[in-house]
Amino acid sequence: DQQVKQNSPSLSVQEGRISILNCDYTNSMFDYFLWYKKYPAEGPTFLISISSIKDKNEDGRFTVFLNKSAKHLSLHIVPSQPGDSAVYFCAAGVQGAQKLVFGQGTRLTINP
Amino acid sequence: EAQVTQNPRYLITVTGKKLTVTCSQNMNHEYMSWYRQDPGLGLRQIYYSMNVEVTDKGDVPEGYKVSRKEKRNFPLILESPSPNQTSLYFCASSLMGQGAGGELFFGEGSRLTVL
Repeated sequence: DQQVKQNSPSLSVQEGRISILNCDYTNSMFDYFLWYKKYPAEGPTFLISISSIKDKNEDGRFTVFLNKSAKHLSLHIVPSQPGDSAVYFCAAGVQGAQKLVFGQGTRLTINP
Repeated sequence: EAQVTQNPRYLITVTGKKLTVTCSQNMNHEYMSWYRQDPGLGLRQIYYSMNVEVTDKGDVPEGYKVSRKEKRNFPLILESPSPNQTSLYFCASSLMGQGAGGELFFGEGSRLTVL
């Protein structure tokens, strides 16, 4: 039972354009969400998070949008840069439960 | 430098031969956790620890053991490895538990192959 799903295994975007990575969840109890970025041969690193009391959080080129009614969140990267090429994982959690549930990951490739 | 260190980074072993993957963090984090990453399945939690001598099962604990005798160390033990434990393993830590929304810091990963 995959509670957090990233339905696109891969995404290819032109440098300078917007990258949009999507994530769907099924558990309405999730009340915080995070995005992690992973380069080959490295561990995931935290990118950005959002609480369920917000619908948007912005950090430089990265913006996360949360649509609670649709149980959907997305990560926007604009403008996309070659260094953004990586695997992106979304994750969700419940305050008080000591676990993050991760999606399957989306491999983003930024083409020059 | 703040980091989570795992060893070994790569290991090939045979079925039934006990092994331990070590994990150490230098950030004085209370919370530590082990994940495995498999194609199409993302990261799944194996075990976690809220503090010294406090451990609990995650989603896929079968075939694994952990211990937390010191705050900085959280080894993952495979008593009798089987081929279905072939995977990429990540140790992670955070200042606060995941329930408080604490950001996880991950090690670089340990790729384990069980023949």
